[in-house]
Amino acid sequence: NAGVTQTPKFQVLKTGQSMTLQCAQDMNHEYMSWYRQDPGMGLRLIHYSVGAGITDQGEVPNGYNVSRSTTEDFPLRLLSAAPSQTSVYFCASRTPSENTEAFFGQGTRLTVV
Amino acid sequence: AQSVTQLDSHVSVSEGTPVLLRCNYSSSYSPSLFWYVQHPNKGLQLLLKYTSAATLVKGINGFEAEFKKSETSFHLTKPSAHMSDAAEYFCVVSFYTGTASKLTFGTGTRLQVTL
Repeated sequence: NAGVTQTPKFQVLKTGQSMTLQCAQDMNHEYMSWYRQDPGMGLRLIHYSVGAGITDQGEVPNGYNVSRSTTEDFPLRLLSAAPSQTSVYFCASRTPSENTEAFFGQGTRLTVV
Repeated sequence: AQSVTQLDSHVSVSEGTPVLLRCNYSSSYSPSLFWYVQHPNKGLQLLLKYTSAATLVKGINGFEAEFKKSETSFHLTKPSAHMSDAAEYFCVVSFYTGTASKLTFGTGTRLQVTL
C-alpha cells in the first residue's frame, strides 16, 4: 500500500532556482493539499485541490504554484527559491467529507541557500 | 473562524506516568477533531478522531481523547507513557468553508519521555 508518495526526500537549492516537488496518491482521493512545517508554527496550508483541474490558495501561497491534471498527482512548484522557503513540505490527500482524516506523505526537507 | 490552540509547546513526563496534552478549539459549530503524531523525521500518523459520535475516543497505542463541548476542549491522554511515545503531537480541526473541507493545525506539543 503506497498511500501518499513524495519525492525527493531532501533537496538543497540555491536562491533563485526553481524546482518541483512531486506528490502522488493511489487512494483515489479527490482532495490533495500541500503544507509547510516550520518550528513552532504547526503545518500551514500552501495550496489545495478538490479535484482534477481545480486548485485554490491556502494561507501561505506566495512563491508557490500548483496544478492538478490527474486525480493521482499534485506537484508543487517553487518558482524562484528564497531562503524563507527553507522548510519541510508535506503532501496530503483525503476524501471530501469533513469527517475523514488526511493521509500524509513522508515529507520533503528543502534547504535554500 | 475555526482555530485550535495547543496549550503546551513542550511536555516532559517520566516513563510509566500519565500523559496529558491539552487542546482547545474554536468553532462555530460542532467540529471534527483529530490528533496526529509525528515521530522524528517522519510523516504524520493519525492517532484518533472525533466525529460527533462518542465523546470519549480511543486511538492507537493506548491514547484516548475526550471531547468536551462546554469547555471547547479535546485533550489527549494516556495512562502510562512509554519511551516510544516521545514525538510531536498535533491537534487538528476540520471545517467546511462552503466550497471545501479544510484542516487547521495547532502549533504542536513536543512530548519528552524520560527514564
